[in-house]
Amino acid sequence: GAGVSQSPSNKVTEKGKDVELRCDPISGHTALYWYRQSLGQGLEFLIYFQGNSAPDKSGLPSDRFSAERTGGSVSTLTIQRTQQEDSAVYLCASSLGVQRQYFGPGTRLTVL
Amino acid sequence: GQQVMQIPQYQHVQEGEDFTTYCNSSTTLSNIQWYKQRPGGHPVFLIQLVKSGEVKKQKRLTFQFGEAKKNSSLHITATQTTDVGTYFCAGPGGGADGLTFGKGTHLIIQP
Repeated sequence: GAGVSQSPSNKVTEKGKDVELRCDPISGHTALYWYRQSLGQGLEFLIYFQGNSAPDKSGLPSDRFSAERTGGSVSTLTIQRTQQEDSAVYLCASSLGVQRQYFGPGTRLTVL
Repeated sequence: GQQVMQIPQYQHVQEGEDFTTYCNSSTTLSNIQWYKQRPGGHPVFLIQLVKSGEVKKQKRLTFQFGEAKKNSSLHITATQTTDVGTYFCAGPGGGADGLTFGKGTHLIIQP
């Protein structure tokens, strides 16, 4: 596609519910990243996928967070048993190896 | 782990004034990238610096990479309202091939 797309753009959920966030990277990009950005803050690295290699999960804040990337393309970030502190914008980015990253528009998650 | 510090956190300037944001790393960087995020938007890549002492210009923006490759700066000459946003520097280190982002400098321009 023309750019990185993410869905949904906004998600409001109740505390304790599970949510799934989707990212469609730019076609052909081998690397895919998930970041979290709280209001007015910087970007917090969550997880990184490169090709068919095992993902780097070093940034995941707890075992409630998981992500997968199917067929080396689309990725889903799952947050189980959401907490209010999970409220943030979740950004996905893709790149060709270690190059500039192209960010998607993000998913704004609000946990009530 | 690697840390990327960015100052100032906020900068208020009058339209037409210059603006500079500084980025410092605790370790030597193989490269540094700069991104701009407009209010309500997502980060957009501006530039990547690789060489020690490198200076690159994009119109009114001047980017520098320190000789020791541990610091960098972004300078905007004669700011315009379109420059409003948050400027992030990022170096390798967020995960195996990810980026470690600074907390950003929020540029606020008063007309």
